[in-house]
Amino acid sequence: DGGITQSPKYLFRKEGQNVTLSCEQNLNHDAMYWYRQDPGQGLRLIYYSQIVNDFQKGDIAEGYSVSREKKESFPLTVTSAQKNPTAFYLCASSSQQGPGAETQYFGPGTRLLVL
Amino acid sequence: RKEVEQDPGPFNVPEGATVAFNCTYSNSASQSFFWYRQDCRKEPKLLMSVYSSGNEDGRFTAQLNRASQYISLLIRDSKLSDSATYLCVVNLNRDDKIIFGKGTRLHILP
Repeated sequence: DGGITQSPKYLFRKEGQNVTLSCEQNLNHDAMYWYRQDPGQGLRLIYYSQIVNDFQKGDIAEGYSVSREKKESFPLTVTSAQKNPTAFYLCASSSQQGPGAETQYFGPGTRLLVL
Repeated sequence: RKEVEQDPGPFNVPEGATVAFNCTYSNSASQSFFWYRQDCRKEPKLLMSVYSSGNEDGRFTAQLNRASQYISLLIRDSKLSDSATYLCVVNLNRDDKIIFGKGTRLHILP
């Protein structure tokens, strides 16, 4: 089955720790995205990548980093510089380049909690 | 004016009723519009795109009003399974960016 997978489903972070969220897709999509969703809030774009080895900052990139070494994978690292990381993190992909280009398909999300 | 604005609800509607909600957007040059559905603690899923002429998919009808800069979603013969949060998504046609609304919560009551 084609789709987007994210792992883990739940992640706990200690103060000062970096953690990495996994996102993999087998849809052969060029573009991938990371969003953060807080309770009662809309999705906010963290980073996006339109092609392998290239990515751009979204609206709230501070305290986060990404890599895009393979078309299928777009991991997100939440660094210790992100002071309020507790949120629901959603990865998405689309077949056309750019966040506004076309329908995005989402993974099941990762809930990050700070201990 | 916010870029994309939705009534947060909740809308509490009896099963079988018709419900409609709107989403307003601020950029008149916006090109693409979508409705997504998000169940509690789940990812958003595309419900339907919204076209200029309006479009229908079973019990769901989406319409675009460019003059007043809003899109609407109408659900007929509502089912218990329609209970969810409905997200309005707009392509602002600027910086190649889309904006998600905060969502409208819908509760269908038995």
